[in-house]
Amino acid sequence: GDKVKQSPSALSLQEGTNSALRCNFSIAATTVQWFLQNPRGSLMNLFYLVPGTKENGRLKSAFDSKESYSTLHIRDAQLEDSGTYFCAAEGGSNAKLTFGKGTKLSVKS
Amino acid sequence: GPKVLQIPSHQIIDMGQMVTLNCDPVSNHLYFYWYKQILGQQMEFLVNFYNGKVMEKSKLFKDQFSVERPDGSYFTLKIQPTALEDSAVYFCASSSTGGSQNTLYFGAGTRLSVL
Repeated sequence: GDKVKQSPSALSLQEGTNSALRCNFSIAATTVQWFLQNPRGSLMNLFYLVPGTKENGRLKSAFDSKESYSTLHIRDAQLEDSGTYFCAAEGGSNAKLTFGKGTKLSVKS
Repeated sequence: GPKVLQIPSHQIIDMGQMVTLNCDPVSNHLYFYWYKQILGQQMEFLVNFYNGKVMEKSKLFKDQFSVERPDGSYFTLKIQPTALEDSAVYFCASSSTGGSQNTLYFGAGTRLSVL
């Protein structure tokens, strides 16, 4: 099965609302990264996490290594938040990231 | 923030030909990576590279694939010969350190279409 499971696979939000994305890991993740892939395909780093939480503007992410999951909360969603969100876990040496399949987010006005 | 540049953005070639994908990593980074993303699917690790050597590669990194970074120039992924199933977007990434405590920075990808 998938080593990194993302949910939901797709999400549609009204502008100004809040939501949360989740990743569950079946590998022993030591660090987690969240990326946003825009419609042009470019990847933007959002968060790099060791166990704990980080916040950046309207985004907040948490990583619980004991319970093997990570979340990404989006507050006051804006149109420019649309894209595919990937989480990726690092579970060993050599910085090999294992990616989830992504959550495709559409924010509508 | 730091930028990784990939050239070209799109490459179309005939099956059986050779192709080289180029990556200009962040200037002071030492670790380099290639990932493959087939349309609509998750990104998959191909290979990472440090100090002139492949550190780790996945099953997707076929014998027809090779990587190098001659004299600090582009970090390249060469496929020779190409096959239809090589059609995908290839993402290059770099980081300043390896292992834990590193942040990978990704390029915008090169879309490879093998006809």
